[in-house]
Amino acid sequence: DIQMTQSPSSVSASVGDRVTITCRASQGISSLLAWYQQKAGIAPKLLISAASSLQSGVPSRFSGSGSGTDFTLTISSLQPEDFATYYCQQANSFPWTFGQGTKVEIK
Amino acid sequence: QVHLVESGGGVVQPGTSLRVSCAASGFTFSTYSMHWVRQAPGKGLEWVAVISYDGTNKYYADSVKGRLTISRDNSQNTLYLQMNRLRAEDTAVYYCARDLGNGDSAIGYWGRGTLVTVSS
Repeated sequence: DIQMTQSPSSVSASVGDRVTITCRASQGISSLLAWYQQKAGIAPKLLISAASSLQSGVPSRFSGSGSGTDFTLTISSLQPEDFATYYCQQANSFPWTFGQGTKVEIK
Repeated sequence: QVHLVESGGGVVQPGTSLRVSCAASGFTFSTYSMHWVRQAPGKGLEWVAVISYDGTNKYYADSVKGRLTISRDNSQNTLYLQMNRLRAEDTAVYYCARDLGNGDSAIGYWGRGTLVTVSS
């Protein structure tokens, strides 16, 4: 199975900060990577598919990049509604696997 | 508008069985692959299983293989997860989810989840 490792596990940031989350796959997954946002007690929401394709309705301050084994999710200017946990997930091969999550907290 | 509603969760004893269901609406159910994803209390997301649009292909996480079975009824727009020989570590919110579609590999839509608690 492909292992997904996110870093950091948590980050404290202020409104307006630039935040970068990294995700590393244990083997190459081309660009078959998705990013999700989850707020407490609510189902996850898809932000980005295919490593860099922003989903409809997702603010442009979110962006994704990478291919192969190394990927990043960047929030260019953190807003109050962005405080949440973010997960990467590989869709290269079954079983699909998620990273352990990165919690973005208020500084 | 895509709508996924899970049901059937509850408290069960270890070693017993439970079936959870997901009623789908707002899209042509029979043309999309469907997934189950779970989340143990206070933990991260764990992908559980997927079934192809016509039910012919199924894949599972290693942790559930041989105990959990995904199935679908396209005539009823319903997805199922049959859970046998349940263990304490199966305690989680189980989310029904739809493939994004259009050849894009990701989970595009999620239900609200149903809580399964395995405890004696």
